[in-house]
Amino acid sequence: QQQVKQSPQSLIVQKGGISIINCAYENTAFDYFPWYQQFPGKGPALLIAIRPDVSEKKEGRFTISFNKSAKQFSLHIMDSQPGDSATYFCAASDSDTNAGKSTFGDGTTLTVKP
Amino acid sequence: EAGVAQSPRYKIIEKRQSVAFWCNPISGHATLYWYQQILGQGPKLLIQFQNNGVVDDSQLPKDRFSAERLKGVDSTLKIQPAKLEDSAVYLCASGDWVDTQYFGPGTRLTVL
Repeated sequence: QQQVKQSPQSLIVQKGGISIINCAYENTAFDYFPWYQQFPGKGPALLIAIRPDVSEKKEGRFTISFNKSAKQFSLHIMDSQPGDSATYFCAASDSDTNAGKSTFGDGTTLTVKP
Repeated sequence: EAGVAQSPRYKIIEKRQSVAFWCNPISGHATLYWYQQILGQGPKLLIQFQNNGVVDDSQLPKDRFSAERLKGVDSTLKIQPAKLEDSAVYLCASGDWVDTQYFGPGTRLTVL
C-alpha cells in the first residue's frame, strides 16, 4: 500500500516557467509534509515543508499548496532555472505515533531547459 | 556544521557476500535513520534509532539485515548474505527532533 502518491514521474519545463508537482496521501494522521530536492550522487535535502494548519507556504521561488480535505499537496517552482533540475520527493509523517518517520513519494525528475 | 558522513560511497559485491555501511550523524542529533533507495523510487525507511534504542524496524528484513548504533552516535548497517535485489543506495539521515531530517550522501551498493 503506497501511502504517498506523487505525479508526474518526470517534468520538462522551459527556463522561467512554472514547475508543478503533486502529491496525494491516504493517512489522515499525517501532520507534516516536507519536500526534498535530490541531485545526482547526493542525499535528499529539505527544500520546504508545511503543516496542515495552513493552506500555503512560500519560501522564495518555492511554494507549497495544501488541501486538507482532498488530502493533496503540491510544490510550485516559480521562474524555474536550469539549476533547479533535480529529483523532487514529497513526504509525509505522523509526529505523534512515529516521530520523524517519513513516507516518501517515488519522486519527480525535473528538467529545466535553458 | 559538518553534515552526515557515510562510508563507503560505493561498494560492489557478489551475491551471498556480506557488506557493512557506516554512518556518523550530525553532532548532537538523537535520531538516526537508515533508508534504502532503489533506483527510480523514493527512500524507504529500514530502521530508526532514538539515541541507541530502536524506535522502528518494521521494514527491516531481519533475516539478512542488522543495524546497531553504538553509544547513541555512529551507526552501522550490515547485510549478510546479500541478494541481487539489495542493489540500491543506502541513505543515513539524522535529526534533533521530529520531522526535520538531514541526509548523508549515501552508499551505492551493487550486488552481482
